[in-house]
Parts: sequence; structure tokens; C-alpha cells
Amino acid sequence: DAGVTQSPTHLIKTRGQHVTLRCSPISGHKSVSWYQQVLGQGPQFIFQYYEKEERGRGNFPDRFSARQFPNYSSELNVNALLLGDSALYLCASSLSTYEQYFGPGTRLTVT
Amino acid sequence: DAKTTQPNSMESNEEEPVHLPCNHSTISGTDYIHWYRQLPSQGPEYVIHGLTSNVNNRMASLAIAEDRKSSTLILHRATLRDAAVYYCILPNTGNQFYFGTGTSLTVIP
Repeated sequence: DAGVTQSPTHLIKTRGQHVTLRCSPISGHKSVSWYQQVLGQGPQFIFQYYEKEERGRGNFPDRFSARQFPNYSSELNVNALLLGDSALYLCASSLSTYEQYFGPGTRLTVT
Repeated sequence: DAKTTQPNSMESNEEEPVHLPCNHSTISGTDYIHWYRQLPSQGPEYVIHGLTSNVNNRMASLAIAEDRKSSTLILHRATLRDAAVYYCILPNTGNQFYFGTGTSLTVIP
């Protein structure tokens, strides 16, 4: 079975631009969570969506937004990019309240 | 914020057991203890979870202290493929994960 997929794998943006990252959960998984991982640190929770509704939000500015579609895929949007937004962005899907399955991530570089 | 504390790094010789500790002194009665690991250049992967009793699966064992304020992840025979950052996590009621910095495990051949 296919795991969690994320696109693109890598991208480079300039300060002030906008970026959209995409995530496809494992088939049947209705919950998607987004994390930001800065080099040398653990992943930081950004958003959680379940059945297209936001169920949780981490301590991130309003420049970060997300949504979940009827097929349970999800997008993470970041506006007005800053150099500090450079990170690995991870998506995870889950079926139950136990295991989360993580994708390989999208490496975002802001110059 | 992460509710767990772990050593920053540990070393183990290949094919020897590894005990990775985690302190979670503010754990509540309904908090599950989860362990994930992150291999280089990959997303985190599930290792094991438990509530009160010790747990075993094909990857590892989880030993939970009687007062539940600490736990230990046990890898019975470390291999080079076990070199990773290991995270101990107490998800909140919404199953939201707040990671700490984890323990970076080095396996020495």
C-alpha cells in the first residue's frame, strides 16, 4: 500500500513569496497533521485536520494556513515567506488515535 | 510544548541491547506514551506505544515505571540500521504530537 506522499520534494523560494505544499494521506486515513522541522530540532506541530475541519493549531503565525479536501488530501500554505521558514515540512496521517504515519517531507529553502 | 525529557545522545555497540530513557513526570492517568524514531533524511516512524503495562513488538520493548513518570525504550540487539533520533512523546487529547529534541543514537560497529 502507498504511504503518505508529499509534493514537491524540494523547492526554493524568495523572501516575501507564497508557497503551497501538498500531502496525500494513506488511503482510509481521515486525519492529517502538519509539522515543521528546522535542522537539528524535533518536528514542531503546526496543524491537525480531521474530516476537513481544523482540530488543532500549534504556535505558528497567521501566515501559516491549511485546508483538507473531501478526498482527505491536504495543503499547507505559507504567505510572506521569511528566511526562518526554511525547514523540512512533514505531513502525517492517522486512522486512529495511536499511530501517525509520516511522509518523507518537503524541503523548503527560502533565500 | 513537549512534556518529556530525554538525553541528547547515546552510543551503543552493535548487537548489544540499548536502553533509551525518557522522563515524563507530569504525565496524567490517561496519557499514552509513544516512541517514534527518525532515520537520517526520513520522516519519523512509529516504534511502540503503551499506557501502563510493559509492551513488546517486533521492533522494541517499552518498559513503563510503576508510577508512570518515566519509561525506557529497549532495543534488544542494536544494528547499524537502528542509528536514528528517538523521540518519546505524550500526545495531547487531540492526538497532537509535541516533539522534544529526542535522543540521537549512534551504533558503533
